Amino acid sequence: QAQLMESGGGVVQPGTSLRLSCAAAGLKFSDFPMHWVRQAPGKGLEWVAMISYDGTDESYADSVKGRFAISRDNFKNTLYLHMNSLGVEDTSVYYCAKEPAKPEAGMSHYFYMDVWGKGTTVTVSS
Amino acid sequence: QSALTQPASVSGSPGQSITISCTGTSNDVGDFNFVSWYKQSPGKAPKLMMYDVTSRPIGISNRFSGSKSGNTASLTISGLQADDEADYYCSSYSRSHTLIFGGGTKLTVL
Repeated sequence: QAQLMESGGGVVQPGTSLRLSCAAAGLKFSDFPMHWVRQAPGKGLEWVAMISYDGTDESYADSVKGRFAISRDNFKNTLYLHMNSLGVEDTSVYYCAKEPAKPEAGMSHYFYMDVWGKGTTVTVSS
Repeated sequence: QSALTQPASVSGSPGQSITISCTGTSNDVGDFNFVSWYKQSPGKAPKLMMYDVTSRPIGISNRFSGSKSGNTASLTISGLQADDEADYYCSSYSRSHTLIFGGGTKLTVL
């Protein structure tokens, strides 16, 4: 059974950097496009970024573009989110999530997520 | 990348049906059939309930159904049960090669 586990969250000061990790188990990680989604306290879900199964295609929400970078290591079965220039507005629970299958030829994504991790909390505060 | 528009709350009695709307634009909901729905209970991760507008994942009850008309997608839950009470979010792919979520709808089962 596919499982995802995020780590790397914590309390950091504004302007600093942080790297989140998402360890995958019970699946052939290299087949699946992956996403990061966040949720600020008491707020709704916000899509952050996605990456293709082979890491060649990345996309970001405008709110994080130029500050965050998504990457993956298919040998380590791990997804990453590198976060720079953190602001208080980035305080959230960060979830990683997988897409349902390896995309068919000509497609990069299925654009929905069937398995989610439990999330890791990032608090940006002075 | 403006959030898709959902009602803040909906409610219904057990056994009734409710519908949650999700309104976007011709750049997202109206242009693609990549609309999905997620259920989130307090303190839990989201759970996929519907994908590609009308498709149910394995294990999701046929009490849940999806539809789309123009720039608005909808999730209908029939035969409401107490366990359906949660927050529901829609999501759509957009022309900017990004995903957008709705603001979320709190479903209360009276």
